[in-house]
Amino acid sequence: EVQLVESGGGLIQPGGSLRLSCAASGFTVSNSYMTWVRQAPGKGLEWVSVIYGGSGTYYADSVKGRFTISRDNSKNTLYLQMNSLRAEDTAVYYCARLGRSSSGYHYFDYWGQGTLVTVSS
Amino acid sequence: QTVVTQEPSFSVSPGGTVTLTCGLSSGSVSTSHYSSWYQQTPGQAPRTLIYSTNTRSSGVPDRFSGSILGNKATLTITGAQADDESDYYCVLYMGSGIWVFGGGTKLTVL
Repeated sequence: EVQLVESGGGLIQPGGSLRLSCAASGFTVSNSYMTWVRQAPGKGLEWVSVIYGGSGTYYADSVKGRFTISRDNSKNTLYLQMNSLRAEDTAVYYCARLGRSSSGYHYFDYWGQGTLVTVSS
Repeated sequence: QTVVTQEPSFSVSPGGTVTLTCGLSSGSVSTSHYSSWYQQTPGQAPRTLIYSTNTRSSGVPDRFSGSILGNKATLTITGAQADDESDYYCVLYMGSGIWVFGGGTKLTVL
């Protein structure tokens, strides 16, 4: 059974740093495309970042230069390092796997339950 | 920057049919956008409904269907039920590793 469990959220002051973790089971993160998606309180979903099976990484403009996605294959865990945090980064952060359909199209097939990050003084 | 558009809200009667749309502020949605749809209830993680434009995820009832009509991706619910009352999100692949979610549609069943 595929499971994704996020951790590392909490209250952090503006300008601070935080690292989120997403422990995966039931599949291997090293062979998978993995993403982070966030949701500000009362708002919609926002794609944040993706890491491909190689080492390619991509970011939304809103976090580029401040957030870094990475993974530890030995721990089967995905990370999101968040620096220079702002109030507008306050959100529930979900990790999700990008699965691939039989026709080759990617989609968000498994989601974690999310971890809340609150940026406030 | 391209915006993915969805109706902010929609209402449907129990047993009725509703079609939600997912468009682009500039241009048309095509299969190359890998359109997919997700259902979310308050406090819960999103649930995958439709991917590759029109493929239902495992366990999703066949009253949910997806397509591309005109220049938009669509999610149709046929025979809406009370527990379909949720937020619905589409997401499109923009190329170069970038994905963009629509703003979501709040569906009311009454």
